[in-house]
Amino acid sequence: EVQLVESGGGLVQPGGSLRLSCAASGFTFISYWMSWVRQAPGKGLEWVASIKKDGSEKNYVDSVKGRFTISRDNAKNSLYLQMNSLRAEDTAVYYCARPQYLADDAFDIWGQGTMVTVSS
Amino acid sequence: EIVLTQSPGTLSLSPGERATLSCRASQSVTSNHVAWYQQKPGQAPRVLLFGASRRATGIPDRFSGSGSGTDFTLTISRLELEDFAVYYCQQYGSSPLTFGGGTKVEIK
Repeated sequence: EVQLVESGGGLVQPGGSLRLSCAASGFTFISYWMSWVRQAPGKGLEWVASIKKDGSEKNYVDSVKGRFTISRDNAKNSLYLQMNSLRAEDTAVYYCARPQYLADDAFDIWGQGTMVTVSS
Repeated sequence: EIVLTQSPGTLSLSPGERATLSCRASQSVTSNHVAWYQQKPGQAPRVLLFGASRRATGIPDRFSGSGSGTDFTLTISRLELEDFAVYYCQQYGSSPLTFGGGTKVEIK
């Protein structure tokens, strides 16, 4: 079964850091770009970041550039999101998602999400 | 950045009725690279269509998509109880990837 399972969410103070993880199974992880998409409470979806199959290329939405870092470990079939200098507006459910084929693509597989709350 | 505007915000319909959801882009979407997702409360989104009109694996044929350029439509031919949810469009023709604000389809 193709599956993505996120972990690492929680409550963090403004200015703090958090590292999210996503464990992939059921498909050849190294063959796919991977992405993070977030959803603030009661709001719509926002693409956050994407990383190339070999990790050599990374793209970010402007609002997180310089604060968030996407990375992957293909030996562990895992995707990560290091989030620093967190702000209240980063509060959201963070989904790990697999683009179908290309960097910019529809997302055909999603994890269940992990909640990040930035509050004092 | 391409801004996607979905309308209506809420659609109140009865089971068996036809639902027509609109997604309008602020500029033309390259190669009609538009996807539609369904999201139920507490769940992750699920892809329904990509390439504006191609159904994803396992999606019933009551879901169909059309459109080109800046105007795209998701149609659900006969609503079933399981179809009441929020629907999002997404463009992946240019960076950054963007999503519409969603249309909630609720039971009338």
